[in-house]
Amino acid sequence: SAVISQKPSRDICQRGTSLTIQCQVDSQVTMMFWYRQQPGQSLTLIATANQGSEATYESGFVIDKFPISRPNLTFSTLTVSNMSPEDSSIYLCSVERGYEQFFGPGTRLTVL
Amino acid sequence: GQQLNQSPQSMFIQEGEDVSMNCTSSSIFNTWLWYKQDPGEGPVLLIALYKAGELTSNGRLTAQFGITRKDSFLNISASIPSDVGIYFCAGSGDYGGSQGNLIFGKGTKLSVKP
Repeated sequence: SAVISQKPSRDICQRGTSLTIQCQVDSQVTMMFWYRQQPGQSLTLIATANQGSEATYESGFVIDKFPISRPNLTFSTLTVSNMSPEDSSIYLCSVERGYEQFFGPGTRLTVL
Repeated sequence: GQQLNQSPQSMFIQEGEDVSMNCTSSSIFNTWLWYKQDPGEGPVLLIALYKAGELTSNGRLTAQFGITRKDSFLNISASIPSDVGIYFCAGSGDYGGSQGNLIFGKGTKLSVKP
């Protein structure tokens, strides 16, 4: 498995501002993923982040809105930019080990 | 896009009962994963399946990878109160998406019978 931590665990933000979420893994991994889970919903992949290359975004998600950094093999950040109430969700990072994915505890974001 | 149909959407359990839930897809998957998510936490991996027809157990949990590679089920035997939560199936591979991209079902919410 993997030990994954996220910061912050939760935040309440004003519309129009930006929030950067951090994800730290206990050991090196090639691929890290960012998911969004809207209230009462399932998980949707935002983007895949490989170290040393630009993140790959899924349909419906763009870099200007969700810029991602992956400076090394144990760390990544996701920024939610110019937030609106529709961005209120849980944001989760995950890592791949073999064919399995393990998730962090999530960041619960509320936008007022 | 690819979709997973997970059922039932919710169910009530009484302690000691067996529980069954399943996921189906119109597309083939190479891997099926089952997760449980408790309130305020991230999903926790319960069982991973890699081969069509594979039957795998983890304690009281049993899951199978369908022969057609388009479905999977999860059974929980002799349920206990801590089984309450939301269970998600997830599949990956063979649909033209990026390797490692998981497609999630909508979840099955397990609650305790009043």
